[in-house]
Amino acid sequence: EVQLLESGGGLVQPGGSLRLSCAASGFTFSNYAMTWVRQAPGKGLEWVSTTSHTGGSTYYADSVKGRFTISRDNPKNTLYMQMNSLRAEDTAVYYCAKSPFDSWGQGTLVTVSS
Amino acid sequence: QAGLTQPPSVSKALRQTATLTCAGNSNNVGNQGAAWLQHHQGHPPKLLSYRNNTRPSGMSKRFSASRSGTTASLTITGLQPEDEADYYCSAWDSSLSVWVFGGGTKLTVL
Repeated sequence: EVQLLESGGGLVQPGGSLRLSCAASGFTFSNYAMTWVRQAPGKGLEWVSTTSHTGGSTYYADSVKGRFTISRDNPKNTLYMQMNSLRAEDTAVYYCAKSPFDSWGQGTLVTVSS
Repeated sequence: QAGLTQPPSVSKALRQTATLTCAGNSNNVGNQGAAWLQHHQGHPPKLLSYRNNTRPSGMSKRFSASRSGTTASLTITGLQPEDEADYYCSAWDSSLSVWVFGGGTKLTVL
């Protein structure tokens, strides 16, 4: 059974940083691209970033480009998202998802507020 | 990054059929098709279909997807109360190298 477990969310001040993790199990992690998707309060789903199965190719939404960095550690079966220069509009539940969006974690809440 | 266009809401009666639409362009929906996701608030999204009508194993056949040109559609037959949810389409945009999402359609089962 595929399992994805996000962690690392919490309350952070504007301009601060957080690192999200997504621990994967139940599938060959290194064979699949992985994606972060978020949902702000009262809003729809928003794609944030995707990494190829090797981590050699990464893609970002314009809203986070230059501030967020996606990475992965295949031997550790873990996906990461380093989030810097956080803004109030980054407040959301962040989900990790296995491509092609066929498995999702439960999400972790990031709140950016002073 | 412009998103895909979905109607904000659709209402249908119990046991009827609902068809949800998702409009894109030749670089996204018209290229590799769309994925459809069902989202009940407080739970993670669930994949219903990808690349137009490839269903994940175990997915109910009441859900079927199709595409005509640059518009994708999701048809849900025999509507049940548990089908009441938000539905999102998404597609890879080969020109921009980004995933684009629709704004979501809230389906109400009357």
